[in-house]
Amino acid sequence: AQSVTQLDSHVSVSEGTPVLLRCNYSSSYSPSLFWYVQHPNKGLQLLLKYTSAATLVKGINGFEAEFKKSETSFHLTKPSAHMSDAAEYFCVVSQMMDSSYKLIFGSGTRLLVRP
Amino acid sequence: GAGVSQSPSNKVTEKGKDVELRCDPISGHTALYWYRQSLGQGLEFLIYFQGNSAPDKSGLPSDRFSAERTGGSVSTLTIQRTQQEDSAVYLCASSSQGFSTDTQYFGPGTRLTVL
Repeated sequence: AQSVTQLDSHVSVSEGTPVLLRCNYSSSYSPSLFWYVQHPNKGLQLLLKYTSAATLVKGINGFEAEFKKSETSFHLTKPSAHMSDAAEYFCVVSQMMDSSYKLIFGSGTRLLVRP
Repeated sequence: GAGVSQSPSNKVTEKGKDVELRCDPISGHTALYWYRQSLGQGLEFLIYFQGNSAPDKSGLPSDRFSAERTGGSVSTLTIQRTQQEDSAVYLCASSSQGFSTDTQYFGPGTRLTVL
């Protein structure tokens, strides 16, 4: 079975400094991996996804993630945090079912951005 | 274009009552998913539809939970004899075909409170 582990439940950064949200995955085959963001009282929005093409994936709002098979990691980064980035972030792996796939969510990392 | 919509946005009910939650997927999407987001359990998969059939019901927490999809479009999640532990945000998502690389687009959710 596939799973993801988000290593930090909370991350706090100052505005303008880099963001690093860590995620490790477990998968018996080449996984599809996603990062979703959830702003307060809003729905889940896809930031980016890895589907076995380029290992460095660029997403929306300046976020990117690098798939590292040797480390089973898919960490999310952004060079410079903005106040609007404050939200909860979910690392997600797609798990095969009979004829489709379901998403397995990590426990989430809440990002706080200090002015 | 229109995204995934869910109704009602909020539902407060008394313990023991039945509730119905509705999901309208993105037009043309054949795959539809229900998830539940609660404080204690995080985000968990409930059920998946491909067209009108549900090949995977493994995530439904009890036989009080059921779901159907008609016309390959609208889906209804029904909870009978609601319990306080059913209180959560119920999220619906759809994807174009249900492949591992497909993005699942989420609705805003229905917040269910069982008193």
